[in-house]
Amino acid sequence: EADIYQTPRYLVIGTGKKITLECSQTMGHDKMYWYQQDPGMELHLIHYSYGVNSTEKGDLSSESTVSRIRTEHFPLTLESARPSHTSQYLCASSLGRVGIETQYFGPGTRLLVL
Amino acid sequence: AQSVTQPDIHITVSEGASLELRCNYSYGATPYLFWYVQSPGQGLQLLLKYFSGDTLVQGIKGFEAEFKRSQSSFNLRKPSVHWSDAAEYFCAVGAVKAAGNKLTFGGGTRVLVKP
Repeated sequence: EADIYQTPRYLVIGTGKKITLECSQTMGHDKMYWYQQDPGMELHLIHYSYGVNSTEKGDLSSESTVSRIRTEHFPLTLESARPSHTSQYLCASSLGRVGIETQYFGPGTRLLVL
Repeated sequence: AQSVTQPDIHITVSEGASLELRCNYSYGATPYLFWYVQSPGQGLQLLLKYFSGDTLVQGIKGFEAEFKRSQSSFNLRKPSVHWSDAAEYFCAVGAVKAAGNKLTFGGGTRVLVKP
C-alpha cells in the first residue's frame, strides 16, 4: 500500500477564493505529479516535479501553480477559484533514476467551485 | 506522442463471469504499459504493469493482461469477476523522456457487476 495523502478529500468553495490542495508522501519518492480528472473522463497531467525546486507544466494547461520545497510535499494552489476548476485532482509519486517507474496515487481531492 | 484508447466506455458483467477490457496504444518505441483500477471516490490503484519479458503479466486481485505488439494491445482479463470488481479501469502507457517519465491514460472503462 502506497503512503501518499491528499487533503482535503472534498472541498466546496466560492468563486474567487484562493485554495491550496495538499499532497504529501512518506516514501521518499523524488518524482511527484498532479493530474486533473473530470467525472467519467481520463486523467490529464497538469504539473510534475522531478525533485526539490523542480516543477514543470504538464500536458493540460492549468491556471494552478505548484511548489516543491520539500521532497515529501507537493501542494497545488489556485489563486482565484472559478467554476471551470471544478474537478477531481489526483496526486501521484514515483521513485527512480532510469526508465519507467510505477506511479502511486493518492485518494484525490474533489473540488466544487460555486 | 503516445496515446491510449479504451474502446468500451461501459461493460456490464454477471458475477462469476469472465471479464476482458480492451486497451490499444500508440507509441513509437517499446511501450511501458499499466492497468490501474479506481473504485468510487478513491484514487488509482496499480493492478499490473508490463515493462519487458513475458508478454502475459499477472497482477493483483486475480487480474492478468497480455501484451500483443502486433496488435498494439494490452487487454486486461479476469476469469471470474466478483462484485467488488465493480470500478473504473484505466490503461496507461509510459514514455521515457529526456527529463523523466510521463504517463498517458486512456478514457477508462466502467465495469458494472450484476448479481
